[in-house]
Amino acid sequence: DTGVSQDPRHKITKRGQNVTFRCDPISEHNRLYWYRQTLGQGPEFLTYFQNEAQLEKSRLLSDRFSAERPKGSFSTLEIQRTEQGDSAMYLCASSPRQGAGANEKLFFGSGTQLSVL
Amino acid sequence: EDQVTQSPEALRLQEGESSSLNCSYTVSGLRGLFWYRQDPGKGPEFLFTLYSAGEEKEKERLKATLTKKESFLHITAPKPEDSATYLCAVQGLPGNTGKLIFGQGTTLQVKP
Repeated sequence: DTGVSQDPRHKITKRGQNVTFRCDPISEHNRLYWYRQTLGQGPEFLTYFQNEAQLEKSRLLSDRFSAERPKGSFSTLEIQRTEQGDSAMYLCASSPRQGAGANEKLFFGSGTQLSVL
Repeated sequence: EDQVTQSPEALRLQEGESSSLNCSYTVSGLRGLFWYRQDPGKGPEFLFTLYSAGEEKEKERLKATLTKKESFLHITAPKPEDSATYLCAVQGLPGNTGKLIFGQGTTLQVKP
């Protein structure tokens, strides 16, 4: 079990540039989540996939953000025309699908720290 | 709107000094309340899930309890390696997506 892997670990970009992050979930986990965390705050939900289908997206998520999971395995999160307010840790998590009432335990990666200058 | 508030924001303890962290929540229907531990530069690591008022879970020096409006994480005789940020999160009904609402966390420092 290699855990959830995220790449890169750190990204520094200039305002207005596009960035893309990758997440490799634990194999056989069919649920994948993206969260964003700023300093001193808890993670904030961005979006959720079950297999390749994006089933939920936060209302707070700007249309500059897009996420894909084309084959139901790895996922990418792209931010277009980055702004300084996008600076944060972007966390990916995965979980196996379980029956109703089961434990929705999320396994998190170590995140991608984005700094927009 | 679902909301989670944790207190205190920061807590400093001497090794062996027991204490409790509080998590107050407002949710339309609770499917589960979760505690996670987060070390600097890492993602959150799962500790416990609680489903109903009165439920308790234990793991080593940690014990989590749940009422209808709040949860407590009790730390008994903490050690320096327990230093971390502890996050509380809730999952509301219908709860079939795994989406969690997190509090801001309590940063615990245990001095030897």
